Amino acid sequence: QSVLTQPPSASGTPGQRVTISCSGSSSTMGRNTVNWYRQLSGTAPKVLIYRNDQRSSGVPDRFSGSKSGTSASLAISGLQSEDEAYYYCAAWDDSLNGWVFGGGTKLTVL
Amino acid sequence: QVQLQESGPGLVKPSETLSLTCTVSGDSISNYYWIWIRQPPGKGLEWIGYVYFSGGTNYNPSLKSRVSISVDKSKNQFSLELTSVTAADTAVYFCARSGSTSSLLGYNWFDPWGQGTLVTVSS
Repeated sequence: QSVLTQPPSASGTPGQRVTISCSGSSSTMGRNTVNWYRQLSGTAPKVLIYRNDQRSSGVPDRFSGSKSGTSASLAISGLQSEDEAYYYCAAWDDSLNGWVFGGGTKLTVL
Repeated sequence: QVQLQESGPGLVKPSETLSLTCTVSGDSISNYYWIWIRQPPGKGLEWIGYVYFSGGTNYNPSLKSRVSISVDKSKNQFSLELTSVTAADTAVYFCARSGSTSSLLGYNWFDPWGQGTLVTVSS
């Protein structure tokens, strides 16, 4: 069971907007920022969003992140087939004194 | 552009020690946190621990009794050792760098990552 909670799956059709949620606690998201990683099949994860809402270099503005209280979300607009991947949220956990991940969300483009 | 590459045995026997090295190219090991993360087949990501360029370390409490991470600045490498391995330690092991030099780890992230290396624990 992951410290951060994500839905196991999400889906959308091309052009649609989808959101993926990430729920934490006061020890994770209370004072710390949330980062989002995308993992294409068979490859290493890459950072998409860091510090809640900052897009990593080269990431299109179709991707946006937000955080409110102990929850965060990743929004993808104008969904494309190449967006099919696993998406993970992560944050520092003050109780663990280390980083924790969400269980990952598999995004399917129908 | 900094790049990371993991290396080490792909097969380790149960009860033995898993040893991996991450070679950093394109920049020197300095001012950043250097991290190990793993992913069991078909499962999610787990943070193992980090070493600061000066040698300070911090480990996941679930692995703390078995893990050691060190840095060799002369070789621009950092390493992972995991003792007394079992089948549950079978995973793809990734090395990564912190995205920022900030010591406020709650505001840091992982970027870039190595490509990962599969380590299987089996006799």
